[in-house]
Amino acid sequence: EDKVVQSPLSLVVHEGDTVTLNCSYEVTNFRSLLWYKQEKKAPTFLFMLTSSGIEKKSGRLSSILDKKELFSILNITATQTGDSAIYLCAVVVVQGAQKLVFGQGTRLTINP
Amino acid sequence: ETGVTQSPTHLIKTRGQQVTLRCSSQSGHNTVSWYQQALGQGPQFIFQYYREEENGRGNFPPRFSGLQFPNYSSELNVNALELDDSALYLCASRRLGQGDYGYTFGSGTRLTVV
Repeated sequence: EDKVVQSPLSLVVHEGDTVTLNCSYEVTNFRSLLWYKQEKKAPTFLFMLTSSGIEKKSGRLSSILDKKELFSILNITATQTGDSAIYLCAVVVVQGAQKLVFGQGTRLTINP
Repeated sequence: ETGVTQSPTHLIKTRGQQVTLRCSSQSGHNTVSWYQQALGQGPQFIFQYYREEENGRGNFPPRFSGLQFPNYSSELNVNALELDDSALYLCASRRLGQGDYGYTFGSGTRLTVV
């Protein structure tokens, strides 16, 4: 059975701190790994990772994939209160049709 | 505003009833998938439709069914509602052949079964 596990499940830090969110996976027919930010309801796209060792960066956020060890990390530096959200990791698998297999999410709270 | 609209935003139903949730996708998005997100959990894949036919299904019973229409709208129907069906239901659409980054999610319908 395809499985995606995120850690920690919950994290509370102070504004300005740096955080690292983890995502490990065990799936068949891996195609890509996606990170989303979910603030209220609709998950919004952050990164897509397909190749090992290539860092994707967008402002204070960055992410990297290790396909040998089957994990990815999402880093956020100089956190702001607006970064408070649930961060979802999803693996795209293809078994006939394509689907997203999500982890449980990490609830990140940034205190001023 | 994501370009994918879901209705209603909230719904309360009684156990045993039936419910229909709706999703209106962006023009050209010929693939739509539905996900169930229970409180404190990540979304779980229910099924996917491409060109009005179901072409993938997760571990959900047959009382979860769907339809996709030529105008890029779709429906999720749930019969014989159970308390555990209480969740946020998300639809996600994309154009087949578009990269995996192309999934666009709606804001969801929060269903409460009492």
